[in-house]
Amino acid sequence: GQNIDQPTEMTATEGAIVQINCTYQTSGFNGLFWYQQHAGEAPTFLSYNVLDGLEEKGRFSSFLSRSKGYSYLLLKELQMKDSASYLCAVLNSGGYQKVTFGIGTKLQVIP
Amino acid sequence: KAGVTQTPRYLIKTRGQQVTLSCSPISGHRSVSWYQQTPGQGLQFLFEYFSETQRNKGNFPGRFSGRQFSNSRSEMNVSTLELGDSALYLCASSPDRAGTQYFGPGTRLLVL
Repeated sequence: GQNIDQPTEMTATEGAIVQINCTYQTSGFNGLFWYQQHAGEAPTFLSYNVLDGLEEKGRFSSFLSRSKGYSYLLLKELQMKDSASYLCAVLNSGGYQKVTFGIGTKLQVIP
Repeated sequence: KAGVTQTPRYLIKTRGQQVTLSCSPISGHRSVSWYQQTPGQGLQFLFEYFSETQRNKGNFPGRFSGRQFSNSRSEMNVSTLELGDSALYLCASSPDRAGTQYFGPGTRLLVL
């Protein structure tokens, strides 16, 4: 089965750096996604990691350690518009499109 | 390219009724997945279609069903609605079987 854990809420200050952690247990692994979801809107793709290491994309970076079943999303130079939920999602192995989502981390950025 | 579209955006039904939701994927995308999102459970996978075939199914009762047409458009149906079916239903498309998913705006269903 699948089990994905991430903190439910976090608060950080504008201009700061925040790290959102995600741990997972899965019977098969084919990659990990991070999505951003603003309140009342659809999730939007942020990153996809399939190999160990850090992927940087502007202010956002995502890290994966497959041996530890661990990922994190790093947000730098936080802006008010970064207030949103951040969803960690694991793609099953086997080639089929079955993605299991964590419950999401609601990030509040304060002035 | 136009994004994923879903209709209707909002829907109010009563218990026992049935409902059909529609999803049009991004042009060229052949995989369509459906999710139910509630505050307490997060995003729960319903099913995934690829080239008109259901490839994966989540742990939902048989009241939840879906199909995909030859143009990749997809519908999901919920029969005998229950109060607990009130949720945001999201459709996501991707170009292949294991690619990044692009979500539609969702259909917000309220069952009274």
